[in-house]
Amino acid sequence: KQEVTQIPAALSVPEGENLVLNCSFTDSAIYNLQWFRQDPGKGLTSLLLIQSSQREQTSGRLNASLDKSSGRSTLYIAASQPGDSATYLCAVRSGNTPLVFGKGTRLSVIA
Amino acid sequence: DAGVIQSPRHEVTEMGQEVTLRCKPISGHNSLFWYRQTMMRGLELLIYFNNNVPIDDSGMPEDRFSAKMPNASFSTLKIQPSEPRDSAVYFCASRGGTGGQETQYFGPGTRLLVL
Repeated sequence: KQEVTQIPAALSVPEGENLVLNCSFTDSAIYNLQWFRQDPGKGLTSLLLIQSSQREQTSGRLNASLDKSSGRSTLYIAASQPGDSATYLCAVRSGNTPLVFGKGTRLSVIA
Repeated sequence: DAGVIQSPRHEVTEMGQEVTLRCKPISGHNSLFWYRQTMMRGLELLIYFNNNVPIDDSGMPEDRFSAKMPNASFSTLKIQPSEPRDSAVYFCASRGGTGGQETQYFGPGTRLLVL
């Protein structure tokens, strides 16, 4: 059974800092991996999707990497801003199955 | 596209009442998911459909919960009778596409409070 772990559970950084959020999964036979953002009281917004054959995906200041063999993905946020404050969730899909979610990392960017 | 649409956005009801949550997935998506989110338990998958057919309902907590998808553009999640412990945010999500690019999109959620 696939399990997804995100460390740390919470992170506080000063504005402007580059940061890395970590995601690990137990079964490396994945189909794709998706990073989401959730603002308080809101739904989940998809940030990036990495297919199993890809190593990374980029969108603006966000860069997600995937290392299937080690069961890890990282979300890199460059030049963090207070508006980046949210909970970031990693989710993994194995075949034609639902996504398995981590519990998220709650990020606070302090101005 | 308007994205995944859920209604109502907020629901306050009394214990014992029937609650019906509604979802309209993104047009063309062939998979639909119902989730529940609480502070204590995080995001839980309740049930999902492929091509309108329920595939796995093992996450449905009790027989009080039921879900239907009568066509590709509509799904309901019903709780009867409701209990205070059902209070949570309920999300609907849909997924479509091919070749590993099947991004999953979430609706804004229904915030349910059972008194």
